[in-house]
Amino acid sequence: NAGVMQNPRHLVRRRGQEARLRCSPMKGHSHVYWYRQLPEEGLKFMVYLQKENIIDESGMPKERFSAEFPKEGPSILRIQQVVRGDSAAYFCASSPSRGHQPQHFGDGTRLSIL
Amino acid sequence: DQQVKQNSPSLSVQEGRISILNCDYTNSMFDYFLWYKKYPAEGPTFLISISSIKDKNEDGRFTVFLNKSAKHLSLHIVPSQPGDSAVYFCAASAGTQGGSEKLVFGKGTKLTVNP
Repeated sequence: NAGVMQNPRHLVRRRGQEARLRCSPMKGHSHVYWYRQLPEEGLKFMVYLQKENIIDESGMPKERFSAEFPKEGPSILRIQQVVRGDSAAYFCASSPSRGHQPQHFGDGTRLSIL
Repeated sequence: DQQVKQNSPSLSVQEGRISILNCDYTNSMFDYFLWYKKYPAEGPTFLISISSIKDKNEDGRFTVFLNKSAKHLSLHIVPSQPGDSAVYFCAASAGTQGGSEKLVFGKGTKLTVNP
């Protein structure tokens, strides 16, 4: 499967726990984006990364959220001390380069907070 | 402040007819526009895009029209098929204008194509 791979597809956490969401971009893509979708809403940008660099984190909440895209391995979106309001679908997208290139999305991780 | 607006939450058309989905934007820095289709429990699937230097782009049954002066774009699907039933999202980016590559999405329009 050459598409964007996200895992897990579903993640259940209790309030105060940590959530780690993983994303492997399409083969040949070095640009990764994370988006969050709340019920009945469109997708909201969170962060844009290239290998080992955060390019734009203007959509990331100031606390508890972090993202990385190491030289080797998948991109990770990490949410510490989760709260009920973090319940959402988190989507990862990738593109091969900057400029007018469509972003291709994975099927998302549904995060539920008990 | 919503920079990309899809004012019709839903649209219903007959199979074989044309579906027209509309999108308005407010940010004049946007220079790249995309349409995505989304089924429940799946990620958005890229359909078609258009750069601000063009006013029309066509790909099979899908055509996107851009009216920069009105800050409006539309997606035409002809002929519509039952398999087109999904939520359609309009998205925009200002990447080459010195902005980020991030996409700004509308809230979506749920298209139902009736057999």
